Amino acid sequence: AQSVTQLDSQVPVFEEAPVELRCNYSSSVSVYLFWYVQYPNQGLQLLLKYLSGSTLVKGINGFEAEFNKSQTSFHLRKPSVHISDTAEYFCAVKRYNFNKFYFGSGTKLNVKP
Amino acid sequence: DAGITQSPRYKITETGRQVTLMCHQTWSHSYMFWYRQDLGHGLRLIYYSAAADITDKGEVSDGYVVSRSKTENFPLTLESATRSQTSVYFCASSESAAGGGQETQYFGPGTRLLVL
Repeated sequence: AQSVTQLDSQVPVFEEAPVELRCNYSSSVSVYLFWYVQYPNQGLQLLLKYLSGSTLVKGINGFEAEFNKSQTSFHLRKPSVHISDTAEYFCAVKRYNFNKFYFGSGTKLNVKP
Repeated sequence: DAGITQSPRYKITETGRQVTLMCHQTWSHSYMFWYRQDLGHGLRLIYYSAAADITDKGEVSDGYVVSRSKTENFPLTLESATRSQTSVYFCASSESAAGGGQETQYFGPGTRLLVL
């Protein structure tokens, strides 16, 4: 079975500071990894995904994530956040050849001026 | 370019009533999903469908029923609503699994359901 752990439920950060949102997963098989963002009162939007190849994945809005197989992690980073990045971020995994997501519990990023 | 829509966006109902949440997508995606989002739990899969007339249970399916007579629609019914079903419900869709699981899921805006 797959599981996803987002270690921080809330992350406060000042505008223009760097941020890292942590995600660890457990799986007995190879997986694909995703980060989604949810703005207030909206559905989820895809930020980025890791399928194969380079372990550093770049997404929209200046976000990037690094896949670390040995540590089973897929942490999301941004070097300089904006107020508009205030949202909830979800990490998710999918098994190869299996179209079901397993989501983490989410991390609320609160960017302060 | 409607994408994926959900209705109603907000619903208040009473314990014991039957409630149906609608989901419609315009992409002709094979797969459709229903999730519920609760504080501290993230998104949990209720039901999913691989194609018209093919549905399967997710991790929290008790008390819910789905149907998929047409590819574009995937209604979710709460047969007898309970307070524990107060939640935000998201519908999602994706293309077929022919890509080996690489497919992105696209989410609707959600339905906020309050059961009194």
